[in-house]
Amino acid sequence: NAGVTQTPKFRVLKTGQSMTLLCAQDMNHEYMYWYRQDPGMGLRLIHYSVGEGTTAKGEVPDGYNVSRLKKQNFLLGLESAAPSQTSVYFCASSRDRGYTFGSGTRLTVV
Amino acid sequence: RKEVEQDPGPFNVPEGATVAFNCTYSNSASQSFFWYRQDCRKEPKLLMSVYSSGNEDGRFTAQLNRASQYISLLIRDSKLSDSATYLCVVNMYNIGNQFYFGTGTSLTVIP
Repeated sequence: NAGVTQTPKFRVLKTGQSMTLLCAQDMNHEYMYWYRQDPGMGLRLIHYSVGEGTTAKGEVPDGYNVSRLKKQNFLLGLESAAPSQTSVYFCASSRDRGYTFGSGTRLTVV
Repeated sequence: RKEVEQDPGPFNVPEGATVAFNCTYSNSASQSFFWYRQDCRKEPKLLMSVYSSGNEDGRFTAQLNRASQYISLLIRDSKLSDSATYLCVVNMYNIGNQFYFGTGTSLTVIP
């Protein structure tokens, strides 16, 4: 049972490049989330999904898009990366109580 | 105003010490409460849930005061392995079952 798997673990992008972060969970959880974590800011919700085919904006959605075509996968896209998007990105899933997090993606935009 | 506020610390304590972390939350509609632990460069992991009656898990004791909207975590007999950041978390069972995280309190246990 792998839990929540994020890929890639590390990435360096140039300003203006695009990329997709993949989150996969094998626990049949309905809810999935993308957070970013920055020093002194804590975890901030980017987007979330309450089920297959649904997505919603969180606290800091600008510059990101998401898709949940399959229940087990939640993709986070950056269409045109900016240095302000340098951060650690965590995916999480839940069914009722408690979140399970992936191990994170460290993204640097130069 | 942030949903969850924590003292960021850092707390530097000797092995064997007792240390307490506090947290306040702003929304009285909050339904469930947790402490998560995050090691350096790792993902947050659930440490324990927090119940109204207070609960204990080994050396860890969590308390909730709904009237004051206050949550606490007490660690007794600190170990070197307790060094981490402790995140206070509340859930309002709103749309999306969103959790609201404090910025975390940093603890270093010194030999």
